[in-house]
Amino acid sequence: EPEVTQTPSHQVTQMGQEVILRCVPISNHLYFYWYRQILGQKVEFLVSFYNNEISEKSEIFDDQFSVERPDGSNFTLKIRSTKLEDSAMYFCASRPDRTNTEAFFGQGTRLTVV
Amino acid sequence: TQLLEQSPQFLSIQEGENLTVYCNSSSVFSSLQWYRQEPGEGPVLLVTVVTGGEVKKLKRLTFQFGDARKDSSLHITAAQPGDTGLYLCAGASLQTGANNLFFGTGTRLTVIP
Repeated sequence: EPEVTQTPSHQVTQMGQEVILRCVPISNHLYFYWYRQILGQKVEFLVSFYNNEISEKSEIFDDQFSVERPDGSNFTLKIRSTKLEDSAMYFCASRPDRTNTEAFFGQGTRLTVV
Repeated sequence: TQLLEQSPQFLSIQEGENLTVYCNSSSVFSSLQWYRQEPGEGPVLLVTVVTGGEVKKLKRLTFQFGDARKDSSLHITAAQPGDTGLYLCAGASLQTGANNLFFGTGTRLTVIP
């Protein structure tokens, strides 16, 4: 069964360093998302991506964050200068098309900023 | 930002009991989904409800979408320890063209053997 895959499963980084979280969405899906979940808290929307551009972003997604889909399969989230409060589980998700709202999530990347 | 409130936040019950989890909002959604999340893993989709008043059953789980498409409930019959987990509702907003999902606050269910 097709699934969303994320790498790495766990990333430890020093404060101020750049990190790139990688995702391979389900092929032939058109909408891609990043969410984050701070330990013990709710799942928060970061950004949605469609047709090679950001379609929506939350106030969490400031200029320290960026996304791209460089090669038509990988979908990446970059944090330029990590802060302690960026420590969280980051989930990638994909959806087939506009009419189907069912989103499928990856297993997540646990980011720990020290 | 559409706010989805779930209640209760925590629920601990004995095996065999029934339970209902609620998901409420002041916003109207084009569809609503229920997910279950295990510790350290991503949310796994259980069901999607689209039509106001719709009821869907998945074995011992019954999902209902409110008539006004602002709320939903999840009822579990004869809970089992394997039902333990975090249950999340998520609404697809009409205002954003259904481009993203807004997640509820979550209900952490523990079923005691």
